[in-house]
Amino acid sequence: EVQLVQSGVEVKKPGESLKISCKGSGYSFSVKWIGWVRQMPGKGLEWMGVIYPGDSDTRYSPSFQGQVTISADKSTSTAYLQWSSLKASDTAIYYCASTVKTGTTAFDIWGQGTMVTVSS
Amino acid sequence: EIVMTQSPATLSVSPGETATLSCRASQSVRSNVAWYQQKPGQAPRLLIYGASTRATGIPARFSGSESGTEFTLTISSLQSEDFAVYYCQQYNNWPPSTFGGGTKVEFK
Repeated sequence: EVQLVQSGVEVKKPGESLKISCKGSGYSFSVKWIGWVRQMPGKGLEWMGVIYPGDSDTRYSPSFQGQVTISADKSTSTAYLQWSSLKASDTAIYYCASTVKTGTTAFDIWGQGTMVTVSS
Repeated sequence: EIVMTQSPATLSVSPGETATLSCRASQSVRSNVAWYQQKPGQAPRLLIYGASTRATGIPARFSGSESGTEFTLTISSLQSEDFAVYYCQQYNNWPPSTFGGGTKVEFK
C-alpha cells in the first residue's frame, strides 16, 4: 500500500526548534517529488515547497524561503520539515504529500497531517 | 506568482443536484490544474489532475473542464459524502505552486 505516515502532534513554545517527519512506503521514494503544505486554523492550503529525494533538489515558495528547511533521507524514505525558531504564527496543520502515480506534480498521496501548536 | 481565484466561496446544493465550481488562473497554466476535496479533520484528496483526468478511484460524477484560464469542477448528482471543501491548484509554474482559496459545498 502506498502511504505517507507523519509524526505526531507537537506543542512548542515560541523560539523553540522543531523537526517533523513524513515516512513514505509502497513506492520508489527517491524518484518522486515530496512536499509540504500548511493549513492554518480554519484556512486554506498553502504550498510550502518540495524536495526530490534522489538528489535533494529543493524548491521553496518565496513565502517560506528562509523560514523553514525541507530535507529528506532516501535511505529511510523519510522527508522532514524543520524550524529553528518557532513563532505563534507557525501554529497550523502541516501535511506532507507526494506525486506518486499521476506523472505530474499534483499531489496524489497525502500524509495524515501533523498538528503544530506554538504557544507560550 | 500565479493567483488562483475560486468562486463561489460557498455553494448551497441539495443532494441529487449538480454543483459547478469555478477556478480562474491569473495567467496561463496550460492544463496543469488539479482539484482536491477536503472533509473536516481529513487530509485533502486528489480528484482531478491535468484539468480533466480523474485520479484513481474517483467516481465518474466528478468531472473537470477548462477554457483558457478558467477551470471548472462539476459534481453531478451530488451525494451526501460530497459535502466538503474543494480546492484548485496550478502546478504549471513553480515554485510556488498555488492553491485557490477553496469552495465549500454545503447542504441546502
